[in-house]
Amino acid sequence: QVQLLESGGGVVQPGRSLRLSCAVSGFIFRSYAMYWVRQAPGKGLEWVAVISEHGNDKYYANSVKGRFTISRDNSKNTMYLEISSLRAEDTAVYYCARDLRVTGTVYFDFWGQGTLVTVSS
Amino acid sequence: DIQMTQSPSSVSASVGDRVTITCRASQDIDRWLGWYQQKPGKAPNLLIYAASNLQSGVPSRFSGSGSGTDFSLTISSLQPEDFATYYCQQGYSVPLTFGQGTRLEIK
Repeated sequence: QVQLLESGGGVVQPGRSLRLSCAVSGFIFRSYAMYWVRQAPGKGLEWVAVISEHGNDKYYANSVKGRFTISRDNSKNTMYLEISSLRAEDTAVYYCARDLRVTGTVYFDFWGQGTLVTVSS
Repeated sequence: DIQMTQSPSSVSASVGDRVTITCRASQDIDRWLGWYQQKPGKAPNLLIYAASNLQSGVPSRFSGSGSGTDFSLTISSLQPEDFATYYCQQGYSVPLTFGQGTRLEIK
């Protein structure tokens, strides 16, 4: 069955960096665009970044552009999110999610369980 | 960016009730709208995509409608497991955006 498993979260000081991972199984990873979505404590959902099937195209939310880097390794069935210059407002549960693959539009049909990033001194 | 506005922000209802949640986009998004259910401590779960298509495995008491800027999610007969927070999401353009959420509570 389809599984997505995030890791790498934790407590980190402002200004520091962190790398999140999303390991997947149960589907052909290289055939899917993949996404990061985050949720601050008690708040709603915020799309963060997307990477195309082969990693050639990447897009970011304005709130993270220039600080976050999305990447993937199709040989390892794993996606990454490198987070730098962390701010208090980056504190959130970070989810990886798979694209449902409806032509011309985007919805998330499978999600990981999330990994919590807490930015605090 | 496309702004998504849900109403109401919260609603109280009883088991067996019919409930409708609405979502308005700040510009025309055709039919490119999805609905998600999220329970505390869990990841969201896709219910409806492309405004009215029921995702595999989702009970038929959930339905979606709308196009352009105005959309709705209806639960025809509330079950105990339906009490959760619901989010709409536009799939029309990047940046993808979500509504602020509607919390469905037990009356």
